[in-house]
Amino acid sequence: DTGVSQNPRHKITKRGQNVTFRCDPISEHNRLYWYRQTLGQGPEFLTYFQNEAQLEKSRLLSDRFSAERPKGSFSTLEIQRTEQGDSAMYLCASSSPPPATSGQETQYFGPGTRLLVL
Amino acid sequence: KNQVEQSPQSLIILEGKNCTLQCNYTVSPFSNLRWYKQDTGRGPVSLTIMTFSENTKSNGRYTATLDADTKQSSLHITASQLSDSASYICVVRLPNDYKLSFGAGTTVTVRA
Repeated sequence: DTGVSQNPRHKITKRGQNVTFRCDPISEHNRLYWYRQTLGQGPEFLTYFQNEAQLEKSRLLSDRFSAERPKGSFSTLEIQRTEQGDSAMYLCASSSPPPATSGQETQYFGPGTRLLVL
Repeated sequence: KNQVEQSPQSLIILEGKNCTLQCNYTVSPFSNLRWYKQDTGRGPVSLTIMTFSENTKSNGRYTATLDADTKQSSLHITASQLSDSASYICVVRLPNDYKLSFGAGTTVTVRA
């Protein structure tokens, strides 16, 4: 399978614990995105990497959240001191720069990690 | 206020019937407008993509339309199948911006 993969698929944790999620993008993609999706809503942008550089962080990403992409390949999203409001699906997407002919970039999404904070 | 609004929030249809989903957006102009299909517990998958100047795009039994004057898009599903049960999300991309504006989605349930 050469698509975007995410691990774990599900995570249940107690409030106050730290959790870390991993995303493996499509191998030739240099762009990587993290989103958060709550029930009945569309995904919300969290952060964006181009290669190993984190170029933007949403204000939704409080200081308890940190994302890394140390070698420009896989990425991790860590949530410290989890709160019940962090319960959501965390989606990762990757893309490559759009072709010169169409100028349209396509983001390919992983299956997500569903987090439940008790 | 969200830049992308979808209706209805959910709908139930019988297998073999057609349905149309609506998307109203305030972003203008935009780079492209996509419809994504998201199965329960999975990530979204792109169905159709239209640029600002296009007004229709088909992908099998899925047909998307775009009216830039009224800032509306629709997704028509023809001859629905049980596997069409999913959430359908309208997504607008701003010009010269990698960020996407997502609608909340319409949940479609197809019953035998």
